Amino acid sequence: NAGVTQTPKFRVLKTGQSMTLLCAQDMNHEYMYWYRQDPGMGLRLIHYSVGEGTTAKGEVPDGYNVSRLKKQNFLLGLESAAPSQTSVYFCASSPTLASLGEQYFGPGTRLTVT
Amino acid sequence: ELKVEQNPLFLSMQEGKNYTIYCNYSTTSDRLYWYRQDPGKSLESLFVLLSNGAVKQEGRLMASLDTKARLSTLHITAAVHDLSATYFCAVDKYNNNDMRFGAGTRLTVKP
Repeated sequence: NAGVTQTPKFRVLKTGQSMTLLCAQDMNHEYMYWYRQDPGMGLRLIHYSVGEGTTAKGEVPDGYNVSRLKKQNFLLGLESAAPSQTSVYFCASSPTLASLGEQYFGPGTRLTVT
Repeated sequence: ELKVEQNPLFLSMQEGKNYTIYCNYSTTSDRLYWYRQDPGKSLESLFVLLSNGAVKQEGRLMASLDTKARLSTLHITAAVHDLSATYFCAVDKYNNNDMRFGAGTRLTVKP
């Protein structure tokens, strides 16, 4: 099992450009999440999904969109990147609520917006 | 608004010493998680605490949860260098996997 994988690992964007980050998991987990991690601030939840075809807003959703067309994939989109979106982005997954929430994290994507 | 506060944010310890990291949160929740992150790496799950009074131990780390005080502790016993990392606590806001993380405690264990 690869677990949770993220593509790409690093990316540099200019202000106003768009991009999509891909998260894939091979554990058949229902729940998937996107977080951002900024220095000294811990992780903040951007969006999450409780199943294929569903998404929900987290703590800091503005400027991001997500899609969960397939159970194993969760995409995070930036339509018009801003320097404030420079961060490390982590994807995570977890089984159903019955599993009581333990999350498995991907390796992260370091994004710089100039 | 839910707040999750960890202290200390930075901790430098000598090997062999004991210390406790504290995690306070502002909402009623009975699900609390502890994670470890090594520099430049992803997060690794350490403990899942699901009820008042829950205590879990793994090696030199022991975590506990007091839901009435809205407090969780991560106790380090006889620290070793390999424990150097950043430790995060996280609270499940509505028991629906909508997690809120603390800012993290950066632990350095010196020989």
